[in-house]
Amino acid sequence: DGGITQSPKYLFRKEGQNVTLSCEQNLNHDAMYWYRQDPGQGLRLIYYSQIVNDFQKGDIAEGYSVSREKKESFPLTVTSAQKNPTAFYLCASSPEDSYGNTIYFGEGSWLTVV
Amino acid sequence: DQQVKQNSPSLSVQEGRISILNCDYTNSMFDYFLWYKKYPAEGPTFLISISSIKDKNEDGRFTVFLNKSAKHLSLHIVPSQPGDSAVYFCAAKRRKKLTFGTGTRLTIIP
Repeated sequence: DGGITQSPKYLFRKEGQNVTLSCEQNLNHDAMYWYRQDPGQGLRLIYYSQIVNDFQKGDIAEGYSVSREKKESFPLTVTSAQKNPTAFYLCASSPEDSYGNTIYFGEGSWLTVV
Repeated sequence: DQQVKQNSPSLSVQEGRISILNCDYTNSMFDYFLWYKKYPAEGPTFLISISSIKDKNEDGRFTVFLNKSAKHLSLHIVPSQPGDSAVYFCAAKRRKKLTFGTGTRLTIIP
C-alpha cells in the first residue's frame, strides 16, 4: 500500500531528552513536511524539504531539527530546546508538480513530555 | 501574524441542510487554496481545492467558492450528513508551502 507512515503513534519522554519521530513515504514524492497541531492553533509548519539533502525552516522551527538523507525518509528530532514539545505531530508529502494542489498526511504522532 | 483565518471555531448544522464554512486570508500571493477534513487523532485528508484563477470548484456534495477581491473562500456541503462531523481546515499555498487556518469543528445534528 502506498502511503505515509509515522512512528511511533504515541511517545512519552522526560523533559530534557531529545526524541526523534520517524516519517517514511513510499509515494515517490519529492517534498516532505512536518507540522505540529496544538488545540485551537491549527497546523503550523515546522520544517519542509523539497529535495533530498535540502530542507528549510517553517514558521516554528526553533527547538527542532530534521534530516533528508533519503527521498522516502524525513525524521524530526524534538530537542530539549523546544519549550513546549507536547503536541500532535503530522508528517506530510507532496509530488513535484508545478500545479501542485495538495499534500498527503500521515496518521500523526502524539508526543507527551512529562 | 495569522495569514489564514477561520473565525468560527465551531458550527452546528441539521442533517440534510447546507453547511457553509468560511475562511479569510491576507496574502494575495497565495496561488492555491485547499480544504482538509480531520478526525481526532488522525491526519487530515484532502477534500477539495481551487486555483486562485478560478472562483468555483465543485466535487459531489462539496463546492468551494473563492472571492479574490474579498480574500475570502468558503466550503459548501450539501446535503450535510452525519459523517461530515469533523474539524475542517482551510489552507493556502504559495511555492509548495501550505499555511493552515485554525480549523472549524462541524457538528451535524441528526
